[in-house]
Amino acid sequence: SQTIHQWPATLVQPVGSPLSLECTVEGTSNPNLYWYRQAAGRGLQLLFYSVGIGQISSEVPQNLSASRPQDRQFILSSKKLLLSDSGFYLCAWSVRGTQPQHFGDGTRLSIL
Amino acid sequence: KNQVEQSPQSLIILEGKNCTLQCNYTVSPFSNLRWYKQDTGRGPVSLTIMTFSENTKSNGRYTATLDADTKQSSLHITASQLSDSASYICVVSTDRGSTLGRLYFGRGTQLTVWP
Repeated sequence: SQTIHQWPATLVQPVGSPLSLECTVEGTSNPNLYWYRQAAGRGLQLLFYSVGIGQISSEVPQNLSASRPQDRQFILSSKKLLLSDSGFYLCAWSVRGTQPQHFGDGTRLSIL
Repeated sequence: KNQVEQSPQSLIILEGKNCTLQCNYTVSPFSNLRWYKQDTGRGPVSLTIMTFSENTKSNGRYTATLDADTKQSSLHITASQLSDSASYICVVSTDRGSTLGRLYFGRGTQLTVWP
């Protein structure tokens, strides 16, 4: 069966520090991969999606970037975190051509 | 403007009671509608998905309905349990076979079930 892993589960970082969140999927090949952010009291916001290795599409301009070095690995990064980057970050995957169906358990990011 | 509105924003019910959550959308063109359950601190889990031609879809004690004419959906929970306490999110897609569907998320209804 397919599983999706995100880590870390929680992270506290100072303003201006770098960020690297990792997401891996097991049990499937060539998935579409997604990064979402969920702010308190607001709906999920799609940040990035990827349909293949090295292929990244950005939905909103921001301080973050994403990379997909391997088929089932998706990384969310930042060189310098801002206070506004605080939130709950979710990784998701889907079979090609369909919507995100499966979410990871998220990373709670707090910026101090 | 494509939007998904959910009501109520929060709901408290007693264990064993039924409840109904609402989702109204203005997303067009419509492809499908999905309800997710999100436990606190966890990722959303898909409960049901309905396309334009489907009126009702059940998953255990969860029953979703869709009226594509009025652009409304509801999620009915029967005989609620403490474990039903979570946020329920309505998501509408404009995907029409493209590689990536355009998704519109509601802000969710926070359900609390009391013993």
